Amino acid sequence: TAGITQAPTSQILAAGRSMTLRCTQDMRHNAMYWYRQDLGLGLRLIHYSNTAGTTGKGEVPDGYSVSRANTDDFPLTLASAVPSQTSVYFCASSDSGLADTQYFGPGTRLTVL
Amino acid sequence: GQNIDQPTEMTATEGAIVQINCTYQTSGFNGLFWYQQHAGEAPTFLSYNVLDGLEEKGRFSSFLSRSKGYSYLLLKELQMKDSASYLCAVMDSNYQLIWGAGTKLIIKP
Repeated sequence: TAGITQAPTSQILAAGRSMTLRCTQDMRHNAMYWYRQDLGLGLRLIHYSNTAGTTGKGEVPDGYSVSRANTDDFPLTLASAVPSQTSVYFCASSDSGLADTQYFGPGTRLTVL
Repeated sequence: GQNIDQPTEMTATEGAIVQINCTYQTSGFNGLFWYQQHAGEAPTFLSYNVLDGLEEKGRFSSFLSRSKGYSYLLLKELQMKDSASYLCAVMDSNYQLIWGAGTKLIIKP
């Protein structure tokens, strides 16, 4: 199985432009997450979804939005990108929103200029 | 505030043993995870501890003391492929993972 896929692998984006990072899982996991990873910092949770149709804010949600129309897909949208959103973005999923292991996608490297 | 502390970098020799420590202060505790992350790749799950004590899984073991807010990851018989970052994460009372910045482990022949 593919597990979790993310697209694109990398992207350079002009400041002020919008972009959607895609995430798809085929494990039928209920919970999905978006993290950003920056040098010297731990992974930080942006948004999460415990089940299809619901979403919640994580530690650093400002400037990002998500939707969860179905179990498999969890896109992350940057409405108007700023240079501080330059980061590596990881999507993850777990069987439930409780103390289950989270499995990560390969990541999207985003540079905002 | 919530805080996870682990050393930034460690160096060890191929074939040796290394212990990576993690201390935490979080609002609630629902388990501690260790992940491995090779450069440019995604984190991959190594271990989960929710009760005090040692969990052994092949060359890797993980220990937890909840009263001390402390865990360690023990890697035995080090191989060059173990060169990676090791991430400690604690699941808080809201079932959200709080992550340490990671320990970069360098293995020398």
